[in-house]
Amino acid sequence: GDSVTQMEGPVTLSEEAFLTINCTYTATGYPSLFWYVQYPGEGLQLLLKATKADDKGSNKGFEATYRKETTSFHLEKGSVQVSDSAVYFCALSDESGYSTLTFGKGTMLLVSP
Amino acid sequence: DTAVSQTPKYLVTQMGNDKSIKCEQNLGHDTMYWYKQDSKKFLKIMFSYNNKELIINETVPNRFSPKSPDKAHLNLHINSLELGDSAVYFCASSQVLSGGVGYEQFFGPGTRLTVL
Repeated sequence: GDSVTQMEGPVTLSEEAFLTINCTYTATGYPSLFWYVQYPGEGLQLLLKATKADDKGSNKGFEATYRKETTSFHLEKGSVQVSDSAVYFCALSDESGYSTLTFGKGTMLLVSP
Repeated sequence: DTAVSQTPKYLVTQMGNDKSIKCEQNLGHDTMYWYKQDSKKFLKIMFSYNNKELIINETVPNRFSPKSPDKAHLNLHINSLELGDSAVYFCASSQVLSGGVGYEQFFGPGTRLTVL
């Protein structure tokens, strides 16, 4: 079955540091890939997505590129802010329909001033 | 103008009780979902409904019974609650067209269920 593997957290950074959160996946066919963010006490919000190989999703300074050859979708940001502190989830939706998401275990990001 | 809403936000109850969580979306979507988030933040699909029809049931105990009275609502009823049911339950919705690939899911704020 489908699966998503993310780096374990927490990831602790100082403000303005560079962020990478690794994500790799296993799926048949050509899944769509997503990053969702969960701020403390809130639901999940879509951060960015990519639907085919070599697509780059970007939003709020975050980027991720769909790499089919390495089955990866790593999340990056050049300069993190304290307000980026949250849990980040990598997820995929396969072609079997209905967009059901398979999530990674989440990576907590803590940014200090 | 909340897109996906859930009630209640918090639910504390005793083992053995029966409880319900309600979900409503005003986005006009045709597909709704229930996810369970455990204490380690792991999220797993429980159910998915498309146009009021159950399409996914992921090995969830039959104590959990979803009900979709119309496309905008998907409620979750849980019988005989157990300690292990304590979690945060998220409702979500999306519009799934032919092929169903790549469409964003919108999540509700979650319901934190605590079973004592």
